[in-house]
Amino acid sequence: DADVTQTPRNRITKTGKRIMLECSQTKGHDRMYWYRQDPGLGLRLIYYSFDVKDINKGEISDGYSVSRQAQAKFSLSLESAIPNQTALYFCATSGATDTQYFGPGTRLTVL
Amino acid sequence: GENVEQHPSTLSVQEGDSAVIKCTYSDSASNYFPWYKQELGKRPQLIIDIRSNVGEKKDQRIAVTLNKTAKHFSLHITETQPEDSAVYFCAASIPPSNTGKLIFGQGTTLQVKP
Repeated sequence: DADVTQTPRNRITKTGKRIMLECSQTKGHDRMYWYRQDPGLGLRLIYYSFDVKDINKGEISDGYSVSRQAQAKFSLSLESAIPNQTALYFCATSGATDTQYFGPGTRLTVL
Repeated sequence: GENVEQHPSTLSVQEGDSAVIKCTYSDSASNYFPWYKQELGKRPQLIIDIRSNVGEKKDQRIAVTLNKTAKHFSLHITETQPEDSAVYFCAASIPPSNTGKLIFGQGTTLQVKP
């Protein structure tokens, strides 16, 4: 689904570095979400946003921050990366129907 | 807090057999239950969903059933094919219903043997 894109697709970084993951969508959806995926744990919600002025913490927000620069853009930042933040990160969007559409994912490795 | 339990974690079937994956949810106010399929290295994609005012929904070889009283829902795949091999996630909406938030199960890795 090319309507939701993420950059970068892969990133290797070192402990303590600041990292930003970006998400863009052309679906015109107001709602955007950031998840992390770890083996055996499914998809866990980090942050979500209903519009540019409405940002909320999810179940695992510690160590992360977000910015909703526009309706179409939602960025996730790791201010000081640590190894247990190594995971696959997905952005998703939804509109009025509640169906969530996922981006292709960013594989982040923190050494 | 809200919780979704998914079983089994892995499932292996012969091509042509049926596969069933089950999920239970904790919040009786949840009213939307999607199922996502994630192929290796790909993004999760919606394959079927059901709302709380419906007990069953079918789409070709896949079906979902919902038991609101017991707070569980299941995915049924009939006549499985090798291309059905993937990780499947169930999810339940987190009230209030207008947030669009979902809580996901832990995933089931389905292997269909030719």
